[in-house]
Amino acid sequence: DAKTTQPNSMESNEEEPVHLPCNHSTISGTDYIHWYRQLPSQGPEYVIHGLTSNVNNRMASLAIAEDRKSSTLILHRATLRDAAVYYCLRPKTSYDKVIFGPGTSLSVIP
Amino acid sequence: DAGITQSPRYKITETGRQVTLMCHQTWSHSYMFWYRQDLGHGLRLIYYSAAADITDKGEVPDGYVVSRSKTENFPLTLESATRSQTSVYFCASSDRSLNQPQHFGDGTRLSIL
Repeated sequence: DAKTTQPNSMESNEEEPVHLPCNHSTISGTDYIHWYRQLPSQGPEYVIHGLTSNVNNRMASLAIAEDRKSSTLILHRATLRDAAVYYCLRPKTSYDKVIFGPGTSLSVIP
Repeated sequence: DAGITQSPRYKITETGRQVTLMCHQTWSHSYMFWYRQDLGHGLRLIYYSAAADITDKGEVPDGYVVSRSKTENFPLTLESATRSQTSVYFCASSDRSLNQPQHFGDGTRLSIL
């Protein structure tokens, strides 16, 4: 069965970098890997997505392993506003449905 | 401001009743999605639609019905609500393909007594 796994929780000090991992056991060559975050009582918010190479935007960076079975969301300097649950997503492929990972709850310590 | 709107934001109903949750987007995105999020858990896909009149099941479709007669609307109906369907429901949309980012609504908190 296709499976997407993430650590249940992580902690970071404010202004330190944070690396949030995600493993996706089955992924096709054309599936993008997405990351979203969710603040309490809000809908998920798009963070970043990519296919093969590393991606950067104003919010974060995304590092994708060469075999594409894992990815890492990088927050370069964690702020208190980054405290949220972070989900990785593998879009539907011909093999399976859209799969969100279980999410990592990130705590940021002042 | 353009976006994705869900209604109602909160709904309380009784078991056996029919409930319809509404989702409207102003971007003319091709894809629309319905997810449920149970307390303390992640998101599970119920149904999605690639275009008007095209829908497909997600991970947990049983007990739900969807339709998409217009691109901008994607209502979700619980034909006979059960307590296990108490959850927060999120609608999302994405443009052109499943590989494009999804934009989420604020959610509907549904309680079934």
